[in-house]
Amino acid sequence: QKEVEQNSGPLSVPEGAIASLNCTYSDRGSQSFFWYRQYSGKSPELIMSIYSNGDKEDGRFTAQLNKASQYVSLLIRDSQPSDSATYLCAVKAFVFKTIFGAGTRLFVKA
Amino acid sequence: SAVISQKPSRDICQRGTSLTIQCQVDSQVTMMFWYRQQPGQSLTLIATANQGSEATYESGFVIDKFPISRPNLTFSTLTVSNMSPEDSSIYLCSVHLERDTQYFGPGTRLTVL
Repeated sequence: QKEVEQNSGPLSVPEGAIASLNCTYSDRGSQSFFWYRQYSGKSPELIMSIYSNGDKEDGRFTAQLNKASQYVSLLIRDSQPSDSATYLCAVKAFVFKTIFGAGTRLFVKA
Repeated sequence: SAVISQKPSRDICQRGTSLTIQCQVDSQVTMMFWYRQQPGQSLTLIATANQGSEATYESGFVIDKFPISRPNLTFSTLTVSNMSPEDSSIYLCSVHLERDTQYFGPGTRLTVL
């Protein structure tokens, strides 16, 4: 059973819309949660981290965490074509080990 | 954040040969991680490398196939031994910094013919 699950997509949104990316995880003891963006042919780039329940905003990005539901999401407001990438959800469930989801491909149509 | 470099950035190798990938970090870190990412797939952790001790390998990865060195707190190497076409992948090194945040090197794209 996968420990971090994401919809593989592709998720397609028009430019200027809100893109909503979701992730669920299995380990209730998880404490640290991350979203990475990966452009084709590039390595993952950290865009958001969240550690407590609720929302965390950074520019056009908002991460949401609900530990009771074991659910993490990423909202991208005013989506731009440059946001088109694969978004990886990552959860630190064990000491020194981070588990990555398979990623959701996002396409933002101009 | 950290500045992480990897060499080579890409290589094309013949079946049966070995390739050593180098990873350099601009600050001292306790742990370094090696990942593999096959085309269209997510990241798979190969091993965790601590300075001064043997690397810890994940299920499905063995030291004979993927020997790792960690001679100091800023450098590590991963060797892909006796390569086959199934080893064609992107290999990434990574470090943990503050609050468990993880940063990745640019990756090494390996093609085995």
